[in-house]
Amino acid sequence: DAMVIQNPRYQVTQFGKPVTLSCSQTLNHNVMYWYQQKSSQAPKLLFHYYDKDFNNEADTPDNFQSRRPNTSFCFLDIRSPGLGDAAMYLCATSRGYSENQPQHFGDGTRLSIL
Amino acid sequence: DQQVKQNSPSLSVQEGRISILNCDYTNSMFDYFLWYKKYPAEGPTFLISISSIKDKNEDGRFTVFLNKSAKHLSLHIVPSQPGDSAVYFCAAKGVEYKLSFGAGTTVTVRA
Repeated sequence: DAMVIQNPRYQVTQFGKPVTLSCSQTLNHNVMYWYQQKSSQAPKLLFHYYDKDFNNEADTPDNFQSRRPNTSFCFLDIRSPGLGDAAMYLCATSRGYSENQPQHFGDGTRLSIL
Repeated sequence: DQQVKQNSPSLSVQEGRISILNCDYTNSMFDYFLWYKKYPAEGPTFLISISSIKDKNEDGRFTVFLNKSAKHLSLHIVPSQPGDSAVYFCAAKGVEYKLSFGAGTTVTVRA
């Protein structure tokens, strides 16, 4: 089945130690998104790629960066994780921005900071 | 600033009865609204949507109602089934790409 796959499902890292989360898709969608979701809160968009064009949200901390080496893969890099970065990170894809092109989500990576 | 609000964090309903989930928004530029369903340990999955030019959209047991003047939408599930137990997120979209999500409502369907 075509899908959005996130690895790993659970990630534990130490305070200040860089960590990379991975997302891959077999849908051949143009757009890939990264969301942060903390407990009992709404998912918050961090940034997205439309093809190779990177779009950062204004309030995304500089500590968060992303790479999209090809259509299928997108990475979220956290340079120096702090305790406040512990959250669920969701990757999503969509064919485009149109209304009839809803976002498809992966199952998320739960990040813990020691 | 939270532009999409789901004021009921949880809802418990008996199997076979109607589930009504509510969502309010503040941004009048939103013109498309979606509901996503999320099971534990899984990502959200798209459920149903509605354009601002409509006031109702129905898909099987799921119906979404939109009241633009009140900036309010609701999701009705009739009849509710045990497999409907999940977290439901309301989301709204404006002129660009961005989806604004609510914090979710946890639905529990009792046998």
